[in-house]
Amino acid sequence: QVQLQQWGAGLLKPSETLSLTCAVYHGSFSGYHWNWIRQPPGKGLEWIGEINDRGSATYNPALRSRLTISIATFKNQFFLKLNSLTAADTAVYYCARAEGAVVVGASFDPWGQGAQVTVSS
Amino acid sequence: QSVLTQPPSVSGAPWEIVTISCTGSSATLGAGYDVHWYQQVPGAAPKLVLFNNGLRPSGVPDRFSGSKSGTSATLAITGLQPEDEATYYCQSYDRSLSTSVFGGGTKLTVL
Repeated sequence: QVQLQQWGAGLLKPSETLSLTCAVYHGSFSGYHWNWIRQPPGKGLEWIGEINDRGSATYNPALRSRLTISIATFKNQFFLKLNSLTAADTAVYYCARAEGAVVVGASFDPWGQGAQVTVSS
Repeated sequence: QSVLTQPPSVSGAPWEIVTISCTGSSATLGAGYDVHWYQQVPGAAPKLVLFNNGLRPSGVPDRFSGSKSGTSATLAITGLQPEDEATYYCQSYDRSLSTSVFGGGTKLTVL
């Protein structure tokens, strides 16, 4: 059964860059779309962006100017970089798999365990 | 304010039926995009319980069902169980925002 495991720095200062990694275990990396989703404390879910196995990324327009999603297919890993952080970026960040592209309205399954990211001076 | 609108909370007693609504627009559900539903318990990642309006992933009890009509969708849970207590989110795509979107979440309390 495919599992997603994620990691990255948890406490960052304003203006710094967030870097997260998501590794895919016990499943194929090819043929899927790999997503990042976040959840601010006590709030709902926000889709951040996705990348396919060929390295083509699609971003949430609200975050596009600060966001880079990349992959390392040979390691079954994908990555999130979000720069110019502010307190509004404080959230639990999740990685998730989708069987289709975001533009077709695909669902997300499974999800990583989540990573708490706090932006504070 | 979320693009998809859900009631903040619902409740029901064990073995009852509860429904959770998800209302979108002509840019989301009304444009033909499917709706998906997730269950999230505190401290855990969301879990997919229904996809493509009403299909159940392997392992999800058949007590969970869903439907979609026009700009609205509904998640129904029959024979409510204590372990169903969680927050439920609907999700779809918004073609005007060019992004996947979620509802604000509905907290289900089992009385």
